Amino acid sequence: DAGVIQSPRHEVTEMGQEVTLRCKPISGHNSLFWYRQTMMRGLELLIYFNNNVPIDDSGMPEDRFSAKMPNASFSTLKIQPSEPRDSAVYFCASSLVGQGLYEQYFGPGTRLTVT
Amino acid sequence: LAKTTQPISMDSYEGQEVNITCSHNNIATNDYITWYQQFPSQGPRFIIQGYKTKVTNEVASLFIPADRKSSTLSLPRVSLSDTAVYYCLGGGSYIPTFGRGTSLIVHP
Repeated sequence: DAGVIQSPRHEVTEMGQEVTLRCKPISGHNSLFWYRQTMMRGLELLIYFNNNVPIDDSGMPEDRFSAKMPNASFSTLKIQPSEPRDSAVYFCASSLVGQGLYEQYFGPGTRLTVT
Repeated sequence: LAKTTQPISMDSYEGQEVNITCSHNNIATNDYITWYQQFPSQGPRFIIQGYKTKVTNEVASLFIPADRKSSTLSLPRVSLSDTAVYYCLGGGSYIPTFGRGTSLIVHP
């Protein structure tokens, strides 16, 4: 299995631009998580999908952030407009019912830099 | 939500056994204890999970006493490549929360 795939691995953009991060979960997994990691705040959960439906988006910072999961094999996290404080590493993770919410498989992350 | 407390950092040397203790005084009856490992520039990796007593796999051992108010992750004979952040999570049916973890640095 290829594991969780994220793209791009690195993204540098200017303030005000739209940024779209992509994630392909492990085939057969039905839960998907988006996290953000910074030195200041550690690893924060942004949103959690189960069977393609957003279950908990309380971690999404503000309306500039949106996430979609149109099918079981693809999810996007969009930031519009981006701001320098959005600079972070964004991780996508997936898990399988039966293994529980605590056995998650993380992707390699997307390092976002907003200048 | 089971609140966990673990040391911010630890130092060790190659070949030593490292024990990282996590306290979770308010853990619920149905909660599991889960540990993740995160190498620099990588996503966290699930390494071990347990409910009580002892669990061992190829990476680590997890010791959970009868009262389950704490747990200890044991890494036998660490090497430089074990330098990482280790997260302790307590829970089961609700979405996990990663704290700051324990930054383990293994020295030559």
